[in-house]
Amino acid sequence: GAVVSQHPSRVICKSGTSVKIECRSLDFQATTMFWYRQFPKQSLMLMATSNEGSKATYEQGVEKDKFLINHASLTLSTLTVTSAHPEDSSFYICSARDFQGSSGNTIYFGEGSWLTVV
Amino acid sequence: AQSVTQLDSQVPVFEEAPVELRCNYSSSVSVYLFWYVQYPNQGLQLLLKYLSGSTLVKGINGFEAEFNKSQTSFHLRKPSVHISDTAEYFCAVSVYNTDKLIFGTGTRLQVFP
Repeated sequence: GAVVSQHPSRVICKSGTSVKIECRSLDFQATTMFWYRQFPKQSLMLMATSNEGSKATYEQGVEKDKFLINHASLTLSTLTVTSAHPEDSSFYICSARDFQGSSGNTIYFGEGSWLTVV
Repeated sequence: AQSVTQLDSQVPVFEEAPVELRCNYSSSVSVYLFWYVQYPNQGLQLLLKYLSGSTLVKGINGFEAEFNKSQTSFHLRKPSVHISDTAEYFCAVSVYNTDKLIFGTGTRLQVFP
């Protein structure tokens, strides 16, 4: 079945550095992917919509210069947290929809990436 | 705008007992409804979804949910839970023809032996 994979699953970085998280659709092409963040014991909050070949659409309150999104191909979207700070520590999850899959309107989520900024 | 309310942050239940996790939504337009499960330190897995048709939807792992338009609810049920059902459950909606999901705050289901 359709699979969305994220890498890395866990990353620790120093404050002030940048870190990149990849989201790949393994069995299908995804023109649109979504990035969410989840704080401990809280719900998922949509950060941005990643559009292949064009600029991402950010939700209100999300700093586009801090959370850089690149959707360079139909199977890969990347989220780069720039100048990371401890408050950026969170669980980041991406999702994508398989338009051509037998399940139709099914949105698949990646396994998530734990970011810890020290 | 759409919103999702999961009134119960935690639901403790004994193994083999029935369980219902409540979900109410608010939307001025038609929506799709979803339930996802999140096991510790993992991503989300789709349990079931309602797009149209029969209001009773059956999902994986013995779960089912019923869409009630008049009450704007989509409660999740299982007649007999297992220890392995212990997880966080999220209700979500998406507006017709979009892929953006709006999540509820989640319900922690804790199954005790």
